[in-house]
Amino acid sequence: QQQVKQSPQSLIVQKGGISIINCAYENTAFDYFPWYQQFPGKGPALLIAIRPDVSEKKEGRFTISFNKSAKQFSLHIMDSQPGDSATYFCAANSNYQLIWGAGTKLIIKP
Amino acid sequence: DTGVSQDPRHKITKRGQNVTFRCDPISEHNRLYWYRQTLGQGPEFLTYFQNEAQLEKSRLLSDRFSAERPKGSFSTLEIQRTEQGDSAMYLCASSWTGEQYFGPGTRLTVT
Repeated sequence: QQQVKQSPQSLIVQKGGISIINCAYENTAFDYFPWYQQFPGKGPALLIAIRPDVSEKKEGRFTISFNKSAKQFSLHIMDSQPGDSATYFCAANSNYQLIWGAGTKLIIKP
Repeated sequence: DTGVSQDPRHKITKRGQNVTFRCDPISEHNRLYWYRQTLGQGPEFLTYFQNEAQLEKSRLLSDRFSAERPKGSFSTLEIQRTEQGDSAMYLCASSWTGEQYFGPGTRLTVT
């Protein structure tokens, strides 16, 4: 019940395309859902986050869509660029603890 | 730079030695977290401080792991009698309202 399931494991998208990464959870006590971007050898960087009372949040080219009834949320990267190539993690917060998805390795082809 | 800093960035040690890592959080953040990350996996929660109080330590991997935050500012993570399985990236994060900001990590290699 504490798991966050993330898919796909890896994703290749052409430059300019839309990258979509999906996550699902079971625990309805989760109250905050961030997405992190991580480059090799670096710590995760907070990209965008949403709370369950909101169905969508957009920041620049990044959008989170949140479906509370389905217990699913997704990250959309519009106009994907080679610099977006990284590993993306979704997470869910319960009290102090972030529960992480397994990550999606995104490659943007020029 | 006002972000989370960690020291050292890399540590190579022989099996059986003790190692200590330091984390300096963002200055106004009262919460500090330690995570471990192995290759290809998401971070794994280890422990959490609010100010100087360690509010959760049951997820520390074994009794060889300990953490302190003596004055509610920087924190240290110690691993005693290191094993090869301890090789990983050790990440520190800090927060004020809930959004956790991560440092660059300390890469530990146990030979």
